[in-house]
Amino acid sequence: EDQVTQSPEALRLQEGESSSLNCSYTVSGLRGLFWYRQDPGKGPEFLFTLYSAGEEKEKERLKATLTKKESFLHITAPKPEDSATYLCAVQGSYNTDKLIFGTGTRLQVFP
Amino acid sequence: KAGVTQTPRYLIKTRGQQVTLSCSPISGHRSVSWYQQTPGQGLQFLFEYFSETQRNKGNFPGRFSGRQFSNSRSEMNVSTLELGDSALYLCASNRDQPSGELFFGEGSRLTVL
Repeated sequence: EDQVTQSPEALRLQEGESSSLNCSYTVSGLRGLFWYRQDPGKGPEFLFTLYSAGEEKEKERLKATLTKKESFLHITAPKPEDSATYLCAVQGSYNTDKLIFGTGTRLQVFP
Repeated sequence: KAGVTQTPRYLIKTRGQQVTLSCSPISGHRSVSWYQQTPGQGLQFLFEYFSETQRNKGNFPGRFSGRQFSNSRSEMNVSTLELGDSALYLCASNRDQPSGELFFGEGSRLTVL
């Protein structure tokens, strides 16, 4: 059964203190791994798609990487506005938008 | 460009009642997916529609149903509500080809008393 596990559940960082969020997955055939950001009271917002091991994507202070068993979301010099829940999801089949989500990492960045 | 619109945003029901939630996708998007989000389980896939046809379905009981109209708007219905149905119900739309890059609405928060 396809499964996604994220760690840690919660992370508190000082502004400027870099860190990484982990997403480990088991899926019969990975079609894509996705990172989303969710702010309180809002729906998830798409950040990145990764398709194959070794791939990396960057956006401002965020960088996502992918191996055969896990993905990391690296946050460099975070700011308070980066505070949110970060969700990882996998797509295990073609021809569907069905995603298997992890339960997320709740990130808080303090000034 | 307007985003995904979900109505109502909040609603309270009692056990045994039924509820209908509505979703209007981004203009031009023909795919609509529904997810249930709870603190313990996270986001769980309910179903997915494309051009009025259900393309995929998650592991939820038959009390959960949905449909899509010719204008791509979608509704989901939950009958015989249970306390455990309390959740945030999220709708997401996509362009034609499934890509996993979904545009989510802000959700409908259902509380069952």
